[in-house]
Amino acid sequence: EDKVVQSPLSLVVHEGDTVTLNCSYEVTNFRSLLWYKQEKKAPTFLFMLTSSGIEKKSGRLSSILDKKELFSILNITATQTGDSAVYLCAVGTSYDKVIFGPGTSLSVIP
Amino acid sequence: DTGVSQDPRHKITKRGQNVTFRCDPISEHNRLYWYRQTLGQGPEFLTYFQNEAQLEKSRLLSDRFSAERPKGSFSTLEIQRTEQGDSAMYLCASSLARRLEGHEQYFGPGTRLTVT
Repeated sequence: EDKVVQSPLSLVVHEGDTVTLNCSYEVTNFRSLLWYKQEKKAPTFLFMLTSSGIEKKSGRLSSILDKKELFSILNITATQTGDSAVYLCAVGTSYDKVIFGPGTSLSVIP
Repeated sequence: DTGVSQDPRHKITKRGQNVTFRCDPISEHNRLYWYRQTLGQGPEFLTYFQNEAQLEKSRLLSDRFSAERPKGSFSTLEIQRTEQGDSAMYLCASSLARRLEGHEQYFGPGTRLTVT
């Protein structure tokens, strides 16, 4: 059965810290890995990764995929209170299905 | 606003009643997905459409659930004979299918269903 696992499930850090969120997956017919940020509303898209070893960056956020180890990380540097959210990892398959992990709840305290 | 919209945003119903939710995707998007999300969990796939064709339904989707996208634009999700376990946030997302990619989805605000 296809599954996406995220760790840690929750994390509390202080402003200015750097965090690394982990996502591992076991799916048939992998096509893409996606990261979303969810505050108290619907998820908003952050990144889509399809190739191993190519880092994607957006401001203080970056992500990389390892298709051999079936793993991705999301890094957030110099965290701010506005980064507090649930970060969802999802995997898209060639059957066009998207499978979400349980999310990592990040709390950034001043 | 050209994002994904959902209606209603909140629905409270009594057990046994039928409910219907509507989703209007981003206009040029040909794929539309329905998910269910409960507290502390990621979105759980329910079904998806490419244009008007329903291409996949989750095994978790009982026969009380039905979804349509009659003209390839908006979609409806109906739950018949609601149960308390149906209480959840129902999310709709749309995307534009591309040859090699196409999983970049844009979510609507969701419909929060409470079954009493």
